Amino acid sequence: DSGVTQTPKHLITATGQRVTLRCSPRSGDLSVYWYQQSLDQGLQFLIQYYNGEERAKGNILERFSAQQFPDLHSELNLSSLELGDSALYFCASSTRTGGSQGYTFGSGTRLTVV
Amino acid sequence: AQRVTQPEKLLSVFKGAPVELKCNYSYSGSPELFWYVQYSRQRLQLLLRHISRESIKGFTADLNKGETSFHLKKPFAQEEDSAMYYCALSVWTSNTGKLIFGQGTTLQVKP
Repeated sequence: DSGVTQTPKHLITATGQRVTLRCSPRSGDLSVYWYQQSLDQGLQFLIQYYNGEERAKGNILERFSAQQFPDLHSELNLSSLELGDSALYFCASSTRTGGSQGYTFGSGTRLTVV
Repeated sequence: AQRVTQPEKLLSVFKGAPVELKCNYSYSGSPELFWYVQYSRQRLQLLLRHISRESIKGFTADLNKGETSFHLKKPFAQEEDSAMYYCALSVWTSNTGKLIFGQGTTLQVKP
């Protein structure tokens, strides 16, 4: 157990629907990062939060949004889902915003859009 | 531009053979580099940080600033080393940092 908890582990939903992925960072970590891993695109950085504030944005679609709550857990919201959104979504956390010590990853949520 | 390049999608070796997984980076600042390993599309696990210069599971990696490389090496591959390996670069933008990953290399160790 890495200490980063992601739920649910698997999610199957239809096109056009909306889902919420949840991440609880490792105890003491203030930064949360979301990544998308698909077969053809590799590991893509989506967004970062630090202590409740958005700090960096990557290749995140407008249909996607995220937030970090006061208890530091984070949610990634995916709406108007398309078949191409099927992927593994990873959350990672680190103690500071720089990530110099490396990230700790969760086990991921496998999203299948049908 | 900030970029990490892993030129090989797949590296296949026999058990006991030496392994070198290539990683090149592009970054104007002082690089902080990492190697992560992913078994069977499970969670990514930190394997090495260049700062610590440690050896984990027999793997080592040396930062070569002249060649902008951070290749991962192991003298004798084991079957349990079969996994996906990602090289990552920590970059700073506007007082915040994030990791940029290469496309990954699948290492296949054959018996």
